[in-house]
Amino acid sequence: GAVVSQHPSRVICKSGTSVKIECRSLDFQATTMFWYRQFPKQSLMLMATSNEGSKATYEQGVEKDKFLINHASLTLSTLTVTSAHPEDSSFYICSARRFRGQETQYFGPGTRLLVL
Amino acid sequence: AQKITQTQPGMFVQEKEAVTLDCTYDTSDPSYGLFWYKQPSSGEMIFLIYQGSYDQQNATEGRYSLNFQKARKSANLVISASQLGDSAMYFCAMRKGVNFGNEKLTFGTGTRLTIIP
Repeated sequence: GAVVSQHPSRVICKSGTSVKIECRSLDFQATTMFWYRQFPKQSLMLMATSNEGSKATYEQGVEKDKFLINHASLTLSTLTVTSAHPEDSSFYICSARRFRGQETQYFGPGTRLLVL
Repeated sequence: AQKITQTQPGMFVQEKEAVTLDCTYDTSDPSYGLFWYKQPSSGEMIFLIYQGSYDQQNATEGRYSLNFQKARKSANLVISASQLGDSAMYFCAMRKGVNFGNEKLTFGTGTRLTIIP
């Protein structure tokens, strides 16, 4: 089956630093990837849609200068949380779109970010 | 705007019993897709089942079935013969359109299911 990986799985950083999270589709090419954010005991909220070779599309209320997205290849999208603050601590999940059947979005295992 | 409502924050079910997780949705689009995902404590989102708005029959995938009642705008997930490994958060989600193209998903708030031995 389709596999999407994320790296790192957990990261702890100091306030003010930047953190990069990678999302890779391991056995298929993904022209579109999605980045979600999930606070504890809450649902997933779509942050942005990442398109290979073009600028990401951000959801309303998401700061594009704060959450930099780069989709440089058909198998890799990165999310960089710039100048992270404690309120950015969250669970970040990516998903990749694939041309297959009806279920066309495969999720990564997520990255837990803790900003001290 | 699309909206997904899951009214059960938590459920406790005896092992081997069937369980129904509720999901209602609101959309003005005639074409949409409904999904159920399972999220264990590890955090990954696991796809369970899909129902398209034009599908005549309820979707089934092994022990999972989706009770699709279009007029009532409900898409309840039924898990038959529950197992301890079914303990997890369950999310109902909807996307606009049934065909490949618009993949933005709107998620409900989830239901935490706990299976009791």
